[in-house]
Amino acid sequence: DAGVTQSPTHLIKTRGQQVTLRCSPKSGHDTVSWYQQALGQGPQFIFQYYEEEERQRGNFPDRFSGHQFPNYSSELNVNALLLGDSALYLCASSPRDTYGYTFGSGTRLTVV
Amino acid sequence: GEDVEQSLFLSVREGDSSVINCTYTDSSSTYLYWYKQEPGAGLQLLTYIFSNMDMKQDQRLTVLLNKKDKHLSLRIADTQTGDSAIYFCAESTYAGNNRKLIWGLGTSLAVNP
Repeated sequence: DAGVTQSPTHLIKTRGQQVTLRCSPKSGHDTVSWYQQALGQGPQFIFQYYEEEERQRGNFPDRFSGHQFPNYSSELNVNALLLGDSALYLCASSPRDTYGYTFGSGTRLTVV
Repeated sequence: GEDVEQSLFLSVREGDSSVINCTYTDSSSTYLYWYKQEPGAGLQLLTYIFSNMDMKQDQRLTVLLNKKDKHLSLRIADTQTGDSAIYFCAESTYAGNNRKLIWGLGTSLAVNP
């Protein structure tokens, strides 16, 4: 049983560009959360998706948007990239009514 | 407000016990977690404790929760070099009907042979 799968594993983008990161949740999980982890920091909550809707959001600008598909997979989109967006982006999936979060290995985004 | 604090560094000798401490502010937290992150890797769930429990033991890991002081600790017995990693404390908080994890900055554990 595969856990949470994220793609790509690494990405280099130029300031001002747009990026899309992808996440496939663990089998049986229907809720997906995205976190940003800057170097030397703990993860920061970006948003959470359930039933294809954004259910709650952290303190991130509108440049960060997402989507959840009927198969529960999810995308994170970041527009107008800034140097400060360089980070490890982590996806976590969980079943709706329990507290078990499973994390993917993350996508390392570097903005130059 | 929501805040989780941890000491940033801990160094121990192989075979000793490690104790990593964490304090949190949200008294409504339901679950508290310990995650391990090795260099270049994602987050691995080590253990969690429900807020109505005081202690949980899982092999070499012991979690102690003092809800009155909002203090959580993780004890690793017989620490090995493979335990060297960053350990994150996280609390599960509610916002409406939804929950999210609030994280500390992580404690970097160095195990010396």
